[in-house]
Parts: sequence; structure tokens; C-alpha cells
Amino acid sequence: GQNIDQPTEMTATEGAIVQINCTYQTSGFNGLFWYQQHAGEAPTFLSYNVLDGLEEKGRFSSFLSRSKGYSYLLLKELQMKDSASYLCAVNRYNQGGKLIFGQGTELSVKP
Amino acid sequence: EAQVTQNPRYLITVTGKKLTVTCSQNMNHEYMSWYRQDPGLGLRQIYYSMNVEVTDKGDVPEGYKVSRKEKRNFPLILESPSPNQTSLYFCASSLIGDSAAEAFFGQGTRLTVV
Repeated sequence: GQNIDQPTEMTATEGAIVQINCTYQTSGFNGLFWYQQHAGEAPTFLSYNVLDGLEEKGRFSSFLSRSKGYSYLLLKELQMKDSASYLCAVNRYNQGGKLIFGQGTELSVKP
Repeated sequence: EAQVTQNPRYLITVTGKKLTVTCSQNMNHEYMSWYRQDPGLGLRQIYYSMNVEVTDKGDVPEGYKVSRKEKRNFPLILESPSPNQTSLYFCASSLIGDSAAEAFFGQGTRLTVV
């Protein structure tokens, strides 16, 4: 089977750095996505990792270790608008575009 | 503008009254899918389609139907809705054959069945 785990909630301060972890167990791993979702809105794409290492995109970075089944999303210089749910999702070989989602991490950014 | 459009955004209905939620994408994507999102459970796939006239069950297909008569449209049909289908629904589309292809999501449909 497959299993994706993320912390349910996190709180951080404006201007700080926060790391959101995701662990997964799945066969046929073919890449990991991070999505951001504001309350009641559609998820929007943040990053994609398929090889080990760090992908940086502005204030957001994502890391993957395939051997450990582990990823994290790093958010720097936090802003109030970063308060949202962050979804980790795994893609598998031969499953087309299917994504298997974790339950999401609700991040609250406080002044 | 690349987008996935769902309608309606909000719907309240009664048990047993058939309803359809429409989904349309303008990116010529082969892959389309429906998810439901419930507190504590995350996004779960209901049905998906890899191309016209090709559909298959996802992880929670019971009580739902879909069709893919045209590439751009992928409606979700609830023949006899029940209260346990009260949820937030998302349609998504992406390219097939590119594992890095991001999924584009519609705005969501909040369905309440009373």
C-alpha cells in the first residue's frame, strides 16, 4: 500500500523560516509534489522533486531523499499570506497523472 | 488563460436528487480526475480519465459516475446523493507521459446533501 505522513498543524512567526516535513511509503515512486491551498480554494502547484536534492524557487525550497522516503518544504521570510495548508503528494509509475495526497499541514503565520 | 472551470461552486441538495457537477479544461490535457476533500482525510481520488471514452475508478468511487465524451469535459454525476457525499470536490487535469507535469485544479464545488 501507500502511506504519506505530514504534521497536521504548525505555527510560525512572520519573517521566520519554517520546515514542513513529509514522509512516504509507496511502491513505484515517480516524483513528489508540494501544493499550497488557502482555505476553501483550489490547491496550487509549488514544487516538484524526482531526484535527490534541493530545488529552490524564490522563498520556497523543496528537498527529497528517495532512500529515506522523505521530503521537506522550506519557507523563508514568512509572510502572513503564507498561512495556508501545504499538501505533499506522490506520483507513481504507470498511474498516469494520479496523485496520492497526504492530509496536509495547516500553517499559521503570526505577527 | 490556462484554467479548469467547475460549476457550480456551491450546491445544497436533498437526498436522492440526481445532480451533475461540470468540469472543463482549456489546456488539451489528456488526464482528468475528480477528488473529494474531507477534514483529516486529505484529497482522495474518486474517478479519473486518461483520454476520451477512457475512465476508471479511483480510491473512493462508490456513489459516483463520470463520463468523458470530449477531451475538455469531465462531468461528475451523483445519481442518488446521500449525506455522506457532503464534501468539497475538486476537478483536476494534467498532461500524461510527463511525470513532472503539475495538476491544475478547478475552484472547487462545495456540496451539501441534506
